[in-house]
Amino acid sequence: SAVISQKPSRDICQRGTSLTIQCQVDSQVTMMFWYRQQPGQSLTLIATANQGSEATYESGFVIDKFPISRPNLTFSTLTVSNMSPEDSSIYLCSVDERGGYTFGSGTRLTVV
Amino acid sequence: QKEVEQNSGPLSVPEGAIASLNCTYSDRGSQSFFWYRQYSGKSPELIMFIYSNGDKEDGRFTAQLNKASQYVSLLIRDSQPSDSATYLCAVNPYGNTGKLIFGQGTTLQVKP
Repeated sequence: SAVISQKPSRDICQRGTSLTIQCQVDSQVTMMFWYRQQPGQSLTLIATANQGSEATYESGFVIDKFPISRPNLTFSTLTVSNMSPEDSSIYLCSVDERGGYTFGSGTRLTVV
Repeated sequence: QKEVEQNSGPLSVPEGAIASLNCTYSDRGSQSFFWYRQYSGKSPELIMFIYSNGDKEDGRFTAQLNKASQYVSLLIRDSQPSDSATYLCAVNPYGNTGKLIFGQGTTLQVKP
């Protein structure tokens, strides 16, 4: 199965700052997905990232807050901008793997 | 709004018993269904996916899908304490887009 690495694994950030999360896959994939899991909650899709095009954002998520880059078929970044404590969550990237969707190890973000 | 419903539990079963986890979904046009296991502090791990009505077996796990009733379940045979985790049901109501809608998860406790 695909190996999906995320960096950083965790971080504690000051409100008002930004954090960029990296997602690296060991194989080429067409679509990459970014999810958020708030404390005690399930997963919510933030956006879909295709190489060579703008990311597609879900309702409630905007590019200014969560800019995404997808420079090639194995890599993507998600930035959480102008952070507030409400952004404290686990952020996960995901890829399609032979019909199932595999998740990276996640980035646990705490905003103070 | 497309929804996926799960009983949050906890569902408690003795070691060696069959654990039955249930999930209902609102969008009748949904085509693919996924079960994930999530240990505390870890990212979701894909157990199995199912596309067609009926049963699909993989080792100790059996997924059951009934599209007419909009119902999908996961059976875990010979439950082990290591199966204690949160089980997430996810549905893809948008075709092969990777945009999964997750339920809130059911916490399973397997008691030795």
